[in-house]
Amino acid sequence: QQQVKQSPQSLIVQKGGISIINCAYENTAFDYFPWYQQFPGKGPALLIAIRPDVSEKKEGRFTISFNKSAKQFSLHIMDSQPGDSATYFCAASAGANNLFFGTGTRLTVIP
Amino acid sequence: DVKVTQSSRYLVKRTGEKVFLECVQDMDHENMFWYRQDPGLGLRLIYFSYDVKMKEKGDIPEGYSVSREKKERFSLILESASTNQTSMYLCASSLKRTRYEQYFGPGTRLTVT
Repeated sequence: QQQVKQSPQSLIVQKGGISIINCAYENTAFDYFPWYQQFPGKGPALLIAIRPDVSEKKEGRFTISFNKSAKQFSLHIMDSQPGDSATYFCAASAGANNLFFGTGTRLTVIP
Repeated sequence: DVKVTQSSRYLVKRTGEKVFLECVQDMDHENMFWYRQDPGLGLRLIYFSYDVKMKEKGDIPEGYSVSREKKERFSLILESASTNQTSMYLCASSLKRTRYEQYFGPGTRLTVT
């Protein structure tokens, strides 16, 4: 059973557009929600993370929006660039326990 | 900068062979993890280790074993490789207190024929 559901599976966005990737979870014990970015031929790397006590976290062009009541969180990439083309994974963990990853979204930004 | 290295980028093995995948991290992290990555399935945890000689099963441990004799090194062993173990294998490490902030190696793409 997938603990974290991620959509869409793939996404194509024009350069300068907004990329949005959504994730949902059921386990209310989750208290840490990171996003990982993976370029081809590389391992995933931590991009940005949020805890449920805030509704939004922004780092540069990357923003996590968190809706605790709906048990959903999303990654927004503003002014998307071809260099953002990668696979993005959302994840969740409870306390100091292991991460549960979503199934991934392959983002392609067209010049 | 944390560096996690994996012994091979690509590996081709025959069905029934014993396969060793090696992972080394250089940041004195207590925790180490092995995942497999398959299209449409994301990253699934095979095993993790929170200390030398300690290990715990993840979500899909069947057909795999692990070894951690030194803090910096974590090995994944396929006792008798099968074609359904063809996959990308990722190693990761983290500090004990921040298990959720993991640093990944580049992966080993294993093909079992």
